Amino acid sequence: DAKTTQPPSMDCAEGRAANLPCNHSTISGNEYVYWYRQIHSQGPQYIIHGLKNNETNEMASLIITEDRKSSTLILPHATLRDTAVYYCIVRVGGGSNYKLTFGKGTLLTVNP
Amino acid sequence: DGGITQSPKYLFRKEGQNVTLSCEQNLNHDAMYWYRQDPGQGLRLIYYSQIVNDFQKGDIAEGYSVSREKKESFPLTVTSAQKNPTAFYLCASSTARGVGELFFGEGSRLTVL
Repeated sequence: DAKTTQPPSMDCAEGRAANLPCNHSTISGNEYVYWYRQIHSQGPQYIIHGLKNNETNEMASLIITEDRKSSTLILPHATLRDTAVYYCIVRVGGGSNYKLTFGKGTLLTVNP
Repeated sequence: DGGITQSPKYLFRKEGQNVTLSCEQNLNHDAMYWYRQDPGQGLRLIYYSQIVNDFQKGDIAEGYSVSREKKESFPLTVTSAQKNPTAFYLCASSTARGVGELFFGEGSRLTVL
């Protein structure tokens, strides 16, 4: 699976949009981009995933560049409860070995 | 409600003792996983199982053992051979194929004294 690069930390003001970048320049055509987040001392929580098109759900939006070498997770109105480590992961969809590799992620701190 | 239950949440053991961490899921998922997390680090895969009575080593399997006798259960044993067992352990499950997400338990924090 392709490797991803994320900034180690970011800050955001409460109520503003949080834009978390991820580089995955070696991504293959059949690899999906996944985002998870982990609030301190809890299990990670799935947020969203996508292949080529931009995706939106009740939690966030995922913007994938046309060349698919990078993506951005957008939390439209960040709250204090969004403070967490955010992981960007790429993997092949439909494979029989469903392994996700979690790096160190980005620690997002939402400030009042 | 469907989900994954890990127990115990906190566990203290003396060095040299084997310990078993429980993981149960009622999501009817075929695949289950164990990850280890150290402070300030990402998650590292210990073992995973795609189907009952079958499992594969992950990236850091040495010093650990698992079993998958039932679809719902995937216990992890931390043996005395594990050099640095103190860590946060996370269990997860998913559908075996496709692009479904991982569902995680709340974790078990093991401290070896």
